Amino acid sequence: YVLTQPPSVSVAPGETVILTCGGQDIGRKSVHWYQQKAGQAPVVVISHQGYRPSGIPERFSNSQSGNTATLTVSEVEAGDEADYYCQVWETRYVIFGGGTKLTVL
Amino acid sequence: QGLLQESGPGLVQPSHTLSLSCAVSSGDVSDVSYYWSWVRQPPGKGLEWIGYFHSSGSTSSNPSLRSRVTISIDTSKNQFSLRLTSVTAADSAIYFCAREEVTTSLFDLWGQGAQVTVSS
Repeated sequence: YVLTQPPSVSVAPGETVILTCGGQDIGRKSVHWYQQKAGQAPVVVISHQGYRPSGIPERFSNSQSGNTATLTVSEVEAGDEADYYCQVWETRYVIFGGGTKLTVL
Repeated sequence: QGLLQESGPGLVQPSHTLSLSCAVSSGDVSDVSYYWSWVRQPPGKGLEWIGYFHSSGSTSSNPSLRSRVTISIDTSKNQFSLRLTSVTAADSAIYFCAREEVTTSLFDLWGQGAQVTVSS
């Protein structure tokens, strides 16, 4: 099972950006999203159920349908610049997407 | 000190065995609610799942690594470990230990990562 993410996306501060994660019937799976800033470990940004850890603002939201899952970041800030990974569980195996580098212009 | 803390050699010779441990200070490795997992990240690349161990004895690992991977837990020390045999330069990476929720497969807690280089 393969999860496909665009390698890079750029956005201006204050704008909204949608990061995509493609996979066969991903709309039927539990998809989690992680944020990894430079030199740091990944952290949960939003879980399939919409759980955001303390410190992650409501500007981050998720959705999924068909073959695409999305992470939406509203009112983007400079501090949102990071790599973002989607992840699913597929028949006993964990699959990560290749990651998207979000650049804030 | 983080809630999960990796430790082990930062340099391993080719064909030798990579061994890392992860000390758990938040929770108990006997907790059936969690898988105790390893994830790695080669330089400049994305995340690669290695595998997990559950206190029931259940394990699973990445098919691409399965024949070389052993993950175990030590309840007396409240830690879990990774052994990767016959390493090559391609195994050079940052190795993260992580806690994965059994019911959701969410990796809710991560160690800071341990850099391992395979070189003679």
